[in-house]
Amino acid sequence: DTGVSQDPRHKITKRGQNVTFRCDPISEHNRLYWYRQTLGQGPEFLTYFQNEAQLEKSRLLSDRFSAERPKGSFSTLEIQRTEQGDSAMYLCASGRGGSNTEAFFGQGTRLTVV
Amino acid sequence: AQSVAQPEDQVNVAEGNPLTVKCTYSVSGNPYLFWYVQYPNRGLQFLLKYITGDNLVKGSYGFEAEFNKSQTSFHLKKPSALVSDSALYFCAVRSATGSARQLTFGSGTQLTVLP
Repeated sequence: DTGVSQDPRHKITKRGQNVTFRCDPISEHNRLYWYRQTLGQGPEFLTYFQNEAQLEKSRLLSDRFSAERPKGSFSTLEIQRTEQGDSAMYLCASGRGGSNTEAFFGQGTRLTVV
Repeated sequence: AQSVAQPEDQVNVAEGNPLTVKCTYSVSGNPYLFWYVQYPNRGLQFLLKYITGDNLVKGSYGFEAEFNKSQTSFHLKKPSALVSDSALYFCAVRSATGSARQLTFGSGTQLTVLP
């Protein structure tokens, strides 16, 4: 396994701009998660994919956020009209099998909105 | 709704002493429980999990955790701490029977092992 890969590692953007993050999960992992983590807090769930289907979305995921996983492989998370409150670490994780298996996390994308 | 509480923001322990990082949870039905560790500027690394069976589970780097159903707890332990164990530790829960697939994390406990 090459691990979960996230790109970019860091992103600085001006308020109001759109940003897109990419996540490449571990090969053949059918489950993919997006989380957001702010300083001093635990990861907060954003959304979950099983293969290409988006099966769960948190209420944290406002209309400005959208995620896709075409073909059940890589995933993208887009934030439109960014706000300063969007500044955080965005974590992607993937897993294989059922809900009793662990998820493997990428190193995250740190977003700073100025 | 499922939730995790890590009552201690910070735990300090001397090298060579045993360590405990506390976690309690709330979930519908039976829980799946996980511990993760996060080093600075790194992603979360899986340490261990409880699914079913033996209440004492062993994981990576000499860590173990004890599941206590009556106290709804899943405390992380290590018999002899190392300075290199200093990191941020997260407990997480998922319901084994509910429809939610998300892992819910606690707020984390910063462990500092003093030489």
